[in-house]
Amino acid sequence: GENVEQHPSTLSVQEGDSAVIKCTYSDSASNYFPWYKQELGKGPQLIIDIRSNVGEKKDQRIAVTLNKTAKHFSLHITETQPEDSAVYFCAASSTDSWGKLQFGAGTQVVVTP
Amino acid sequence: DAGVTQSPTHLIKTRGQQVTLRCSPKSGHDTVSWYQQALGQGPQFIFQYYEEEERQRGNFPDRFSGHQFPNYSSELNVNALLLGDSALYLCASRRTTGTLGETQYFGPGTRLLVL
Repeated sequence: GENVEQHPSTLSVQEGDSAVIKCTYSDSASNYFPWYKQELGKGPQLIIDIRSNVGEKKDQRIAVTLNKTAKHFSLHITETQPEDSAVYFCAASSTDSWGKLQFGAGTQVVVTP
Repeated sequence: DAGVTQSPTHLIKTRGQQVTLRCSPKSGHDTVSWYQQALGQGPQFIFQYYEEEERQRGNFPDRFSGHQFPNYSSELNVNALLLGDSALYLCASRRTTGTLGETQYFGPGTRLLVL
């Protein structure tokens, strides 16, 4: 089955700097890669997603890149703000799996003013 | 437009008991998935329901069962509770269309504590 690895496990950045979180996946059939942000006591909130027919997607300060050959995908947050502090999860799924999401272990991001 | 809702928000049970958690999907969504999230870990897929049938199942024992109703809402049942079942249980919904399906949206979760 699919296995998703996520790094780093914790990330501390100064306000205004950029943050990058990287994930790798094992199943070449995976074709959908969402990123979720989870704040304390809340459910995961989708922040951006990318499908395998696209190499990069951007939404304001957030961008995701996908390298299908290397089975890597990354989340980039620019101009970080204190409200970006949360746990971020990457995930992968394939059409064959009916959308079953395999999550990474998560990255705790702390943005210090 | 209401998002995914779950009830109850918190629940305390003792070992050996049974529990039922409920989920109402986002408006327009017809597919519901359940995930278990232990403290400090990523969500783990339990199972998924579409057209009132279980379509996919993760690596969870038969003590975990579910149901989907004609209005697309869903229940997760866990029998013979163990201490290790203590976790945040998340429901996610999406609309199944075409070949790739639609984005999944999560509810706030039910925090289950087994004593």
